[in-house]
Amino acid sequence: GAVVSQHPSRVICKSGTSVKIECRSLDFQATTMFWYRQFPKQSLMLMATSNEGSKATYEQGVEKDKFLINHASLTLSTLTVTSAHPEDSSFYICSASDRGVRKAFFGQGTRLTVV
Amino acid sequence: TQLLEQSPQFLSIQEGENLTVYCNSSSVFSSLQWYRQEPGEGPVLLVTVVTGGEVKKLKRLTFQFGDARKDSSLHITAAQPGDTGLYLCAGALNNDMRFGAGTRLTVKP
Repeated sequence: GAVVSQHPSRVICKSGTSVKIECRSLDFQATTMFWYRQFPKQSLMLMATSNEGSKATYEQGVEKDKFLINHASLTLSTLTVTSAHPEDSSFYICSASDRGVRKAFFGQGTRLTVV
Repeated sequence: TQLLEQSPQFLSIQEGENLTVYCNSSSVFSSLQWYRQEPGEGPVLLVTVVTGGEVKKLKRLTFQFGDARKDSSLHITAAQPGDTGLYLCAGALNNDMRFGAGTRLTVKP
């Protein structure tokens, strides 16, 4: 299957700081990237969908000013958690899909802990 | 919005038993994927089904896509402890992908 690399895998940051998570598709052009959040023992919750070169579409209840998504190229999307608070601590996962979104491949996930 | 209803949510069985996980929706999907996720890792794609009525086998796992492309099932034969994990179905719809709530499977030795 295709390879999607997510970095960092773990990050601990202080409350009030910002954290950037990168998601790279290594062997295909990802026209669409999805960002998910996952709470312990639960399924994936879609946060936003981004298409290369356009603004991300956020799900209801997700603050776009807090979770900044950039998808400037066909191989890279970033999620920046701004002014992080302890309640933002979670497992964040990206997935990438080529044109048509027939299947998606996931990154390894990022465990964010805000202290 | 969760378009896919996945059941059961939790399943704990003994090694050697068979099981089936269901994924149902009122929406028609262009394709449906099954993923398996282990703790602290991203989901790993197991299979993609595209054609209504399609059946795919992956060793002891059998995946079926409903004739109307609204539902799917995953059947595991002779489950092993290594099958333990979170199984997720996901449907592709209108350049979007939606996930079921997942089935947390535990296979006891």
